[in-house]
Amino acid sequence: DAKTTQPPSMDCAEGRAANLPCNHSTISGNEYVYWYRQIHSQGPQYIIHGLKNNETNEMASLIITEDRKSSTLILPHATLRDTAVYYCIVRVATRVEYGNKLVFGAGTILRVKS
Amino acid sequence: EAGVAQSPRYKIIEKRQSVAFWCNPISGHATLYWYQQILGQGPKLLIQFQNNGVVDDSQLPKDRFSAERLKGVDSTLKIQPAKLEDSAVYLCASSWDGSYEQYFGPGTRLTVT
Repeated sequence: DAKTTQPPSMDCAEGRAANLPCNHSTISGNEYVYWYRQIHSQGPQYIIHGLKNNETNEMASLIITEDRKSSTLILPHATLRDTAVYYCIVRVATRVEYGNKLVFGAGTILRVKS
Repeated sequence: EAGVAQSPRYKIIEKRQSVAFWCNPISGHATLYWYQQILGQGPKLLIQFQNNGVVDDSQLPKDRFSAERLKGVDSTLKIQPAKLEDSAVYLCASSWDGSYEQYFGPGTRLTVT
């Protein structure tokens, strides 16, 4: 079962920041927060992941609360092409534990509108 | 670099028939995954390979589903016989090893009538 809770849908105006929340109140100390997204008719795409520090890459920023029980994915300037289902996943990420699968929930449908 | 390739993209079969899907992962990726995604739900892992060995097949319905990854590169997923509830998108993904991010293929949309 998914260990995260996300709102089922959100809307965002084009050019504005999209802030997608995720609750993971039972996260363990060795579990990372991963974000993937799935554009219609495509496979999921990795966005970003983090353990406890905030992370930023060319696609997005990830803000994790100090207690690690929740996080927010930020798309700084959303475009129409960012319309997708966004999945927040918690997962152990170590080289030796190959059995740690990605468990997807229903995700958040983000609609970017012009 | 080339992404994960899957074929066919679409398949329509009748119940009780058999079907096979093919996946070619990104070159050098040791870990390969097959997921099933039913409409409106997130993907669900069916099986995970590390090279040509199975790491996790706990959610694979083994009475009708089988998968292999000969030589640790390409993989095939087979369903025999198919049921109506097998209608879904079957996604293949690969990663350098089990810890890094996974790269997904476009999927095969299966319709069982």
